[in-house]
Amino acid sequence: QVQLVESGGGVVQPGRSLRLSCAVSGFTFSSYAMHWVRQAPGKGLEWVALMWHDGNNKYYEDSVKGRFTISRDTSKNTLYLQMDSLRTEDTAVYYCARGLPPNEVPDYWGQGILVTVSS
Amino acid sequence: IVLTQSPGTVSLSPGERATLSCRASQTVTRDFLAWYQQKPGQAPRLLIFGATSRATGIPDRFSGSGSGTDFALTISRLESEDIAVYYCQQYGMTPYTFGQGTKLEIK
Repeated sequence: QVQLVESGGGVVQPGRSLRLSCAVSGFTFSSYAMHWVRQAPGKGLEWVALMWHDGNNKYYEDSVKGRFTISRDTSKNTLYLQMDSLRTEDTAVYYCARGLPPNEVPDYWGQGILVTVSS
Repeated sequence: IVLTQSPGTVSLSPGERATLSCRASQTVTRDFLAWYQQKPGQAPRLLIFGATSRATGIPDRFSGSGSGTDFALTISRLESEDIAVYYCQQYGMTPYTFGQGTKLEIK
């Protein structure tokens, strides 16, 4: 069955970096677009980034552009989110999600991983 | 695109029908509008995509309607397990955006 498992979260100081990973199984990773979505404590969902299946197109929410980078390693069936210059407002649970072809709506989601940015 | 959901909270009895609204600040491209259910401590679950299509395994008590800027999620015959926050999302253009959510309570 389809599974997505995030890792790499934790507590980090403002201005520092962190890399999240999302290990996937149960589907052909190279055929699907992938998303990152976050949820601040007690708040709603916020879409963060999207990468097409071929890795040629990447899109970001405005507040993370230039600071976050989405990438994938198809040999490891793993999606990444490199987060640089972290801010306190980046504190959230981060979810990876698969994009359902052909229009990439997020269908299967991981369980989420907490990132806390605090001094 | 800003999505505004209403009401913020709805409280209904088992067996009743719930209608949740999602209004977009501009036309949603090709009606690429999805609905999600999120229960406490869980990841979101896709219910509806393309405004009206049910996702795999979703019971037919859940239905989506609307087009353009006005969309709705209807849950007929409410059950206690439907307690959750429901979000709409447009995925017609980046940045993809979510509504702020509607909390469904069962009396």
